[in-house]
Amino acid sequence: DGGITQSPKYLFRKEGQNVTLSCEQNLNHDAMYWYRQDPGQGLRLIYYSQIVNDFQKGDIAEGYSVSREKKESFPLTVTSAQKNPTAFYLCASSILLNYGYTFGSGTRLTVV
Amino acid sequence: AQKVTQAQTEISVVEKEDVTLDCVYETRDTTYYLFWYKQPPSGELVFLIRRNSFDEQNEISGRYSWNFQKSTSSFNFTITASQVVDSAVYFCALSEAAGRRALTFGSGTRLQVQP
Repeated sequence: DGGITQSPKYLFRKEGQNVTLSCEQNLNHDAMYWYRQDPGQGLRLIYYSQIVNDFQKGDIAEGYSVSREKKESFPLTVTSAQKNPTAFYLCASSILLNYGYTFGSGTRLTVV
Repeated sequence: AQKVTQAQTEISVVEKEDVTLDCVYETRDTTYYLFWYKQPPSGELVFLIRRNSFDEQNEISGRYSWNFQKSTSSFNFTITASQVVDSAVYFCALSEAAGRRALTFGSGTRLQVQP
């Protein structure tokens, strides 16, 4: 079945560490996105990529980095520069923006 | 800049009641797309509907209906005869044909349907 796989489902990070969240899709979608969701809040855009080897900053890119070396993969690294990384992270993809997104099941990151 | 406002933070209804979730948007584009997504407790967002700015017809899908009014920049969502399984967070989102190539989401409305 086609879809988006995010891993791990739960992730714990010590302060000062970098961690990488995985996002893989087998939908043959060109565009991929990362959003952050905090409790009681909406989704805020971190980064997005419309094609391989290209990506754009979203509204809250500081402290995060991404790569898009393959069409299927769009990993997100939460660096130590991100001061408040505890949140729920959602990855999405789309074949065309106007058709909306397909979402992954999310990764819940907690700083310990 | 585009913006989506969902003023209702949380709504609680009793099963079989009708409920309307409000969505107001701002955009400078004349061509844009509006969406509704449902987020059940599992966390994954589920697509419900897409509407383009040139199509103001209301849409009905089973117990769900959507009212799009460009004059008031609103795209409201009504659930008729609500059920416990409708309990979730619902997000309204906007994308513009030009400009940023990503969806802008509202803050969401948490709907609790009590048995």
